[in-house]
Amino acid sequence: GAVVSQHPSRVICKSGTSVKIECRSLDFQATTMFWYRQFPKQSLMLMATSNEGSKATYEQGVEKDKFLINHASLTLSTLTVTSAHPEDSSFYICSARAFQGLGDEQFFGPGTRLTVL
Amino acid sequence: GNSVTQMEGPVTLSEEAFLTINCTYTATGYPSLFWYVQYPGEGLQLLLKATKADDKGSNKGFEATYRKETTSFHLEKGSVQVSDSAVYFCALSANQAGTALIFGKGTTLSVSS
Repeated sequence: GAVVSQHPSRVICKSGTSVKIECRSLDFQATTMFWYRQFPKQSLMLMATSNEGSKATYEQGVEKDKFLINHASLTLSTLTVTSAHPEDSSFYICSARAFQGLGDEQFFGPGTRLTVL
Repeated sequence: GNSVTQMEGPVTLSEEAFLTINCTYTATGYPSLFWYVQYPGEGLQLLLKATKADDKGSNKGFEATYRKETTSFHLEKGSVQVSDSAVYFCALSANQAGTALIFGKGTTLSVSS
């Protein structure tokens, strides 16, 4: 089946530093990747939609200068949390939508837990 | 706009009990509907899906039927196990290129032996 990986799975950083999270589709090409944020005991909130080779589309209320998204290839998207603060601590999940052959299903990565001290 | 509403949890059941988690949706057009499961400390896994009215999705003993007349996609299982303890998310896809899934708030299921 289609597999999406995320790296790292957990990261702890100091306030003010930047953290990069990678999302890879391992065995399929993803035309679109999505980044979600999940707070404890809450649902997934869409942050941005990322299409290969173009700028990401951010949801209302999400700061594009703080959450930098790069979708450099059909198998890789990165989310960089710049100048992280404790309120950015959360579970970040990416998903990838297949280019073809896998219907309209989105495949989710295992998530990255970010803790900002 | 499109939205998903699912029953508030937590749902606490004994092993072998019957499970229903209600999910209703609001959408224009003909969305696809999904149930995802999230086990503690893990990412989301697709549990089942239905792409058109009257379709029934099923997997691991779970079932859900796409009811357009009631705009519902309730999740059911006849006999739950302790290993089913997880958070369950109902979601819809507008079936337009590049659109993300819209999730309900999630329902926590706790099954005791």
